[in-house]
Order: sequence, then C-alpha cells, then structure tokens
Amino acid sequence: AQSVTQPDIHITVSEGASLELRCNYSYGATPYLFWYVQSPGQGLQLLLKYFSGDTLVQGIKGFEAEFKRSQSSFNLRKPSVHWSDAAEYFCAVGRGGGADGLTFGKGTHLIIQP
Amino acid sequence: DAGVIQSPRHEVTEMGQEVTLRCKPISGHNSLFWYRQTMMRGLELLIYFNNNVPIDDSGMPEDRFSAKMPNASFSTLKIQPSEPRDSAVYFCASRGQGAGEQYFGPGTRLTVT
Repeated sequence: AQSVTQPDIHITVSEGASLELRCNYSYGATPYLFWYVQSPGQGLQLLLKYFSGDTLVQGIKGFEAEFKRSQSSFNLRKPSVHWSDAAEYFCAVGRGGGADGLTFGKGTHLIIQP
Repeated sequence: DAGVIQSPRHEVTEMGQEVTLRCKPISGHNSLFWYRQTMMRGLELLIYFNNNVPIDDSGMPEDRFSAKMPNASFSTLKIQPSEPRDSAVYFCASRGQGAGEQYFGPGTRLTVT
C-alpha cells in the first residue's frame, strides 16, 4: 500500500529565508506526486505536480520540488518565503496516476516569523 | 469556471440526525472524490466515482455513510445517523479525464453535538 510521510509537523522560518519541506513516499510503481497548500478555513490548492520527465518541477507562487527516486523523496522548496506563505502544506501520492484518489501525508504547518 | 462547489459550508447537528453534504464538480470533469479531514487522521479518501459510477468505497468508515452521484454535475454524501466522531471537514474534489490533479472544493465543516 502507498504511504506518504512528512516528518516535520511544524516549521518556523523567517520571512525572506529559504524553505524546504520534506516528503517521503512509498509506492510500488512510478509515483504521481503532488504538493497542495491549505490556508486556514480554505480548501486545498495545487502547488505543483510530478508525473514524469524532468525531476525538478516548477509550481505556482515561486515553489519548486525535486523528485529523487533513489531517496523516495519529493521535497518542496522556495528560495525566499513571504508572510503570505504561512499555511499547511500537504504532499500526496496519486494512486493509479491520481485516477484512483490521493494518499496524503499528515501535513507540515509553516509559520513565518517577521 | 466556478470551481468545485460544496454546500453547506458549515453544518451543526445533533447526534442521531441525518446529514447530507452536497457537491457540484467542475463541468466536464468525469471523476469525483470525497475526502474527510480530521486532526487525528489527516486527509482520508472516503469514496470516488468515475463517470457517475462508484469505483472504490473502501474508505467509507461505516454503513452509516453513503454516497451517490445521480448525474455528472451532482453528488451527495449522507451520514445517517450522525455521531460526534463524524465531526470533521469533508472535501469534495473533481478531476478531468487524462489529467492527474484534483481540484478541491472549499469543504463542509461538520459538527455533531
């Protein structure tokens, strides 16, 4: 069965500093990987996705993620965070390419210090 | 496009009552998913439909939960009878054919007292 681990429950970063959120997955086939962001009281917004090809993928709001098959990881990065990036971030693996639903990690709560 | 629409946004009900959550997927999308989000268990897939047909309901926690999709533009998730442990945020998401990402609605926050 597939699973996703986000080892950091909370991360605090100063505004303007760089960010990396960790994600490790377990999946028997080629994974379809996603990062979603959830602001308080809101739904989930897709930041970026990886299906195949270039292992460094660019997303919205200046985020990028790198797929590393050897490490079963799909870490999310941003070179300089803004106060508006404070939110909950979820990594997910798509079963059947996403056709059969998503398995989510428990999320990482990002706090931005001024 | 208006995106995925869910109603109501908030629902407060008493234990034992029937609750119906509603979802309108993005027009043209042929897959619809229901998820539940709780602090303890995170985001869990409850059930999903392809072309209005339920494909996998293994995530539905109990027989008290049921879901229908009578047409391509409407789905319901029903809990009867409701219990306090059903309190959660319920999300609906839809996906178009050939695309991998799912688009989520704003969620329904259910509180059962």
